[in-house]
Amino acid sequence: RKEVEQDPGPFNVPEGATVAFNCTYSNSASQSFFWYRQDCRKEPKLLMSVYSSGNEDGRFTAQLNRASQYISLLIRDSKLSDSATYLCVVRGLNNNAGNMLTFGGGTRLMVKP
Amino acid sequence: EPEVTQTPSHQVTQMGQEVILRCVPISNHLYFYWYRQILGQKVEFLVSFYNNEISEKSEIFDDQFSVERPDGSNFTLKIRSTKLEDSAMYFCASSRPLDRSSYNEQFFGPGTRLTVL
Repeated sequence: RKEVEQDPGPFNVPEGATVAFNCTYSNSASQSFFWYRQDCRKEPKLLMSVYSSGNEDGRFTAQLNRASQYISLLIRDSKLSDSATYLCVVRGLNNNAGNMLTFGGGTRLMVKP
Repeated sequence: EPEVTQTPSHQVTQMGQEVILRCVPISNHLYFYWYRQILGQKVEFLVSFYNNEISEKSEIFDDQFSVERPDGSNFTLKIRSTKLEDSAMYFCASSRPLDRSSYNEQFFGPGTRLTVL
């Protein structure tokens, strides 16, 4: 089983649509969870951290289900500028408390006019 | 806004040559990292560095790789004898020490694209 698994997509949606991405991770002892955004040939940039109680930042909502080892990202009212690859990222995946980040393969989103 | 910088942006080298990739982390950060991303694949952790020593490393980070913080600002990744499969984008990142919050962001540089011929 992959350590962090995502549907690679692409998700092709019209502007204004709501789209949801899911991610599963393999180690129940994982400590912190994030969604990063990566534009083509650019560095990953933090979109939002994912808190146990779920959290929202504008049009973006992240949820964590520790029991199911499942993380989600919901994007409402999609903009053309949301087109990117969304990376599910887990910290502390191994059996130590280190800082290494483990990345999923990413889900590609294409928002069309 | 402070940012991580990396040089060069693109490095082309012959197989078997040594390369040094350079990074300037954000000035008040104490943890430093190297990740790589082979074209079309996921971002992979290589190594983390704290207090002038390696704190974690992955299986990818074998004896061909080394890291150094030669002065107060630069953080380097050296590949002693490059192989074709080392061709990738190499990202440097930095972060502050963990505080009470577990959500400690790692800030990534723009990357160095390494091409091994």
